[in-house]
Amino acid sequence: KQEVTQIPAALSVPEGENLVLNCSFTDSAIYNLQWFRQDPGKGLTSLLLIQSSQREQTSGRLNASLDKSSGRSTLYIAASQPGDSATYLCAVRGGADGLTFGKGTHLIIQP
Amino acid sequence: SQTIHQWPATLVQPVGSPLSLECTVEGTSNPNLYWYRQAAGRGLQLLFYSVGIGQISSEVPQNLSASRPQDRQFILSSKKLLLSDSGFYLCAWKSSGVNEQFFGPGTRLTVL
Repeated sequence: KQEVTQIPAALSVPEGENLVLNCSFTDSAIYNLQWFRQDPGKGLTSLLLIQSSQREQTSGRLNASLDKSSGRSTLYIAASQPGDSATYLCAVRGGADGLTFGKGTHLIIQP
Repeated sequence: SQTIHQWPATLVQPVGSPLSLECTVEGTSNPNLYWYRQAAGRGLQLLFYSVGIGQISSEVPQNLSASRPQDRQFILSSKKLLLSDSGFYLCAWKSSGVNEQFFGPGTRLTVL
């Protein structure tokens, strides 16, 4: 059974810092990995999707990498802003059609 | 563009009462549809998914059921709610042949 772990569970940093969120998964047989953002009480916003054949994807100040063989992904956020404060979720798609999620990293960017 | 709707946004129900949550998608045809639940202290868990009308797959045994009466409509139901059914219910969709999933705004269910 696939398990997804996200470290750290919570992170608080001053505005302007670059930061890295980590995601690991136990079964490397995945089709893709998706990073989401969730604001309090809201649904999920898709940030980046990495296919299993890809190593990284970039969108603006966000960069996600995937090392499928070691079961790891990182989300790099450059020049963090208070508006980046949210919970960031990592999810993988394996053999079944749905996604398996980690519990998320709760990020606070201090102004 | 595609849009996904969920209602109601919030719901407070007594134990033993029935449940019906609705999800609809606009701007696409024959989407794959999903129901997830986010319970306190736990990650998002896939409950059901559907690849077509009347086709439902269940991921975990539970007190809930799902139905897809129309191409872009997905319904989550229960005949008798339990306290453990409380949580944040999210509907998602993706186009067949495309990997990215998109989520709705969610329904906050509290069972008392």
